[in-house]
Amino acid sequence: EVQLVQSGAEVKKPGESLRISCKGSGFSFTRNWISWVRQMPGKGLEWMGRIDPSDSYTNYSPSFQGHVTVSADKSISTAYLKWSSLKASDTAMYYCARHSGYDFPLDYWGQGTLVTVSS
Amino acid sequence: QSVLTQPPSVSGAPGQRVTISCTGSSSNIGAGYDVHWYQQLPGTAPKLLIYGNSNRPSGVPDRFSGSKSGTSASLAITGLQAEDEADYYCQSYDSRPYVFGSGTKVTVL
Repeated sequence: EVQLVQSGAEVKKPGESLRISCKGSGFSFTRNWISWVRQMPGKGLEWMGRIDPSDSYTNYSPSFQGHVTVSADKSISTAYLKWSSLKASDTAMYYCARHSGYDFPLDYWGQGTLVTVSS
Repeated sequence: QSVLTQPPSVSGAPGQRVTISCTGSSSNIGAGYDVHWYQQLPGTAPKLLIYGNSNRPSGVPDRFSGSKSGTSASLAITGLQAEDEADYYCQSYDSRPYVFGSGTKVTVL
């Protein structure tokens, strides 16, 4: 069974750093890409960036480039989304999702990680 | 502002047919890229509903169907059921490179 299991909810202060994770199982982690998607409270889905775990190649949306970093450790089938300095506007639900290539659908999704940034 | 435009809401009585449009441009849907649709039930993660414009993953009822023409795509739900009340998003490839629609809330009256 294909599964993407994300790390738990986080509460952070502005300016703090954070890394959340997404562990894949039931499929070949290096034969798929992992994307991260943001959903702000009451809002729609926004694609942030993706990684190919086989070679760690990344793409980012211009809206998120430079503010987040996507990485992966293929030895433990885990992808990461990292912030070096959180803002209150980063408060959102973050989902990881699997896809097989650039024009393929996001066919399996993690359960989501809620990040709350508040002073 | 989303690159792909959807109506904010549609509604219908049980058993009726509703459609959701997804309007893009020559840089995404009109360039020949596939459109995929996702269903997000309240408080849950999105789920793939339609892929490659008109294909249903295993387990998705055939009440759901998708189509694409020119720079637009559509999702149709026939025989609307109470459990279909959810948010629906289209998605395609673009220079960004991935874009989602603005989302449509389906309400079952």
